[in-house]
Amino acid sequence: SQQGEEDPQALSIQEGENATMNCSYKTSINNLQWYRQNSGRGLVHLILIRSNEREKHSGRLRVTLDTSKKSSSLLITASRAADTASYFCATVRPGTYKYIFGTGTRLKVLA
Amino acid sequence: ETGVTQSPTHLIKTRGQQVTLRCSSQSGHNTVSWYQQALGQGPQFIFQYYREEENGRGNFPPRFSGLQFPNYSSELNVNALELDDSALYLCASSLEPGQGPYEQYFGPGTRLTVT
Repeated sequence: SQQGEEDPQALSIQEGENATMNCSYKTSINNLQWYRQNSGRGLVHLILIRSNEREKHSGRLRVTLDTSKKSSSLLITASRAADTASYFCATVRPGTYKYIFGTGTRLKVLA
Repeated sequence: ETGVTQSPTHLIKTRGQQVTLRCSSQSGHNTVSWYQQALGQGPQFIFQYYREEENGRGNFPPRFSGLQFPNYSSELNVNALELDDSALYLCASSLEPGQGPYEQYFGPGTRLTVT
């Protein structure tokens, strides 16, 4: 079973708008990672946030983590058509090396 | 593009057959994980290999097995194929688990169709 649940399942926005997607998980974690997947191909690592961090930035990406609510959000600012992809969060429980991926958010950015 | 390669790209097999998928990890990475991704779903963790030993396993039956070689490349073997095994199989390499799981570098995947 998958630990993470992304919300919304699908999101359609206009180019230039911001896109926010959320991830909820069930157990304690070591870190949380976000990945992007284009057209059913390999996943690309976007950003990693550790359990003792609350916010992290990378270019147009901003990730927040709330361990008390077991949730994270990914914000993509000034979206581009090239951002069209599926986005997944992944978590790893302390003491294990088992990566658990969420169900994904399918983002469509319209030009 | 990551330095992780997978072969073959596509594969069609018949129910009951066996299949071997291959993965070459990124230079400097000694840990390889395998995932199964059904259409419209997130990747499901199959197992991880670190220095040629299985280091963790997901909820997959024993007919899913693997190997890691001294050069850290890896194989995923699936015996007695079932229709539900049709999926995209992804491998990912990373640095050794160490102090905490690191980011993973994924290959492009092998699309397996079982008929």
